[in-house]
This record gives sequence, structure tokens and C-alpha cells, in this order.
Amino acid sequence: DAKTTQPNSMESNEEEPVHLPCNHSTISGTDYIHWYRQLPSQGPEYVIHGLTSNVNNRMASLAIAEDRKSSTLILHRATLRDAAVYYCILRDDRIQGAQKLVFGQGTRLTINP
Amino acid sequence: DAGITQSPRHKVTETGTPVTLRCHQTENHRYMYWYRQDPGHGLRLIHYSYGVKDTDKGEVSDGYSVSRSKTEDFLLTLESATSSQTSVYFCAISAGQGAKRGQETQYFGPGTRLLVL
Repeated sequence: DAKTTQPNSMESNEEEPVHLPCNHSTISGTDYIHWYRQLPSQGPEYVIHGLTSNVNNRMASLAIAEDRKSSTLILHRATLRDAAVYYCILRDDRIQGAQKLVFGQGTRLTINP
Repeated sequence: DAGITQSPRHKVTETGTPVTLRCHQTENHRYMYWYRQDPGHGLRLIHYSYGVKDTDKGEVSDGYSVSRSKTEDFLLTLESATSSQTSVYFCAISAGQGAKRGQETQYFGPGTRLLVL
């Protein structure tokens, strides 16, 4: 299985942009890049996903490198509520049926007021 | 928010007693999962279900059993609880979207904190 590497922790200030990096140098052509986050004392929640092109939704943007070996989750204007652990996960498009999510340690994001 | 509830939300039990955790969904999704989360290990898959009465093991299934008699309910049972099963347990669901496999997302419940003394 392709693995992802993320920094253990990052810190930013409220109302500033945050760029969360993820390295996935062994990604295959059929792997989608997913991001989940886990707020304190809650279950993980889906943030965004992409394959090759950059993606935007109401929560965040996902920038994918041209060689797909890395990606960056962008929170355009962080709020205190964005303080969470962020997980970068690869999902294989070839696998049928149930797919377990392989959670690494993620990046713990701290937002300063 | 996806309609997923877990019960109980907190439980304290003694070593050797049986414990059943319940996951209930209102989304009619096909797949349901049980994960546990421990410090230093992240989330790990215990068991999952791909339909009524259809279940399979995950990576940390020893000491756990599951049942799914209805689409909406997925039960996790610790036959004889041990202290090593003290953890936070999360249920998740996914729709299983056929051709959009790689894009499928999972929705998680609020979790159950279990303490085995």
C-alpha cells in the first residue's frame, strides 16, 4: 500500500492561510488523495479529495503536484475551529467493495488567536 | 451530518465481562465499519460489513465479534473484555458507489469511550 508522510504538528494564526503538506512518493496512478480531519473528541470527518487536478470546496482547497508525489491541503483563512488533526490518505480506485481507511499519525494543527 | 449514532457514548466495565457497542445509521448505506483509536496508533480497523449478515475482519479483530442483522445496525461485541480493549471506538459508514470507488468517502459516528478496569 502506498504510504503518506506528514509533519507531526503545525501552528498558524487565526485568519491566516494554512498549508498542510503530504508526501506520497509511491502513489499509483489509480490512487485518489483524500483528506480527513478529526476535531477534539469527535470522529474523523471528510474534508476533500482529488486525483490529478486541484480541487476546491467550501472547506478547503487541495493542490496536487504535477508528478502527484505530494499534495497540499490549503485552509484559506483559518479559524479556531480548524484546530484538529489532519490526515492525508490514499484510496485505490481499483479496489471493489469496502475500503478500509489507513490512518497515519496525521498533522496536529494548532491555531493561535 | 450523516445520520450515525453510537451507543453507549461512554462505558466503564470490568475485565471478563461481555460488552456490546451499537452503531445505528439512517442513511441506508451498504458498508459499515468499526475502528478503534489509541494513542500512538491512530485509527485501526476492527471489522467491517458489506451487507446484512456479511462481515469480514480488519487488522485488529482478535477479541471482537460483530453482527449485522439489519441494514441500519452494526453491533460490536467484546466477548470477554480485557484492559487492552480500553479505547475509543468509532463506527463509520460508506455508500459503496460502484464506479466511483476511489472517490468514496466514509462518515464517522461520534465515538464510544470504553474503559475496562
